[in-house]
Amino acid sequence: DAGITQSPRHKVTETGTPVTLRCHQTENHRYMYWYRQDPGHGLRLIHYSYGVKDTDKGEVSDGYSVSRSKTEDFLLTLESATSSQTSVYFCAISEGQTTSTDTQYFGPGTRLTVL
Amino acid sequence: KQEVTQIPAALSVPEGENLVLNCSFTDSAIYNLQWFRQDPGKGLTSLLLIQSSQREQTSGRLNASLDKSSGRSTLYIAASQPGDSATYLCAVSSGSARQLTFGSGTQLTVLP
Repeated sequence: DAGITQSPRHKVTETGTPVTLRCHQTENHRYMYWYRQDPGHGLRLIHYSYGVKDTDKGEVSDGYSVSRSKTEDFLLTLESATSSQTSVYFCAISEGQTTSTDTQYFGPGTRLTVL
Repeated sequence: KQEVTQIPAALSVPEGENLVLNCSFTDSAIYNLQWFRQDPGKGLTSLLLIQSSQREQTSGRLNASLDKSSGRSTLYIAASQPGDSATYLCAVSSGSARQLTFGSGTQLTVLP
């Protein structure tokens, strides 16, 4: 299995509070991604990073920010949590090869509940 | 905008049956297509990756096909077992960051 950990694994928070989720990899992969998974929507891309300090928005980026100060860590911050951000959050990594064999590997997920 | 659809949403079969899961996508400009397995409360496990230039890929009892021009892929599972029970997700890789666009999945139950 790819060396990807996410912390915390479970979190319950209140509306309006900031929340930071951490993704840590030991593979030295260039690309890192944050997805959320909701019933009926599948997984949707929030933000991604293609290198240290290089990030870009995905499909559902409103209300989220990210930072990547080291290759191994990618942080996702909910600036002011809302109930609509209750979800399971997955981090993924890939080497970022230019070939079509590039595979994404997923972390175990973080279950976030916003009350 | 890429959209991925999986049919059926749920499927229940008796053990030993061969089955086919379907995936369709709207934009044929993809790098690859991946099939994942997800067990309840768990993360995603990659099953097969088909490059955009390939027609099919096999791993054990699994065979995935890709028809890029028509925007379709199928996952064939031979001789199904109760341990195959899970949700199967199809995802296509596209865009500058090769981000994945997922279907909503097919929930498979194999009955003993």
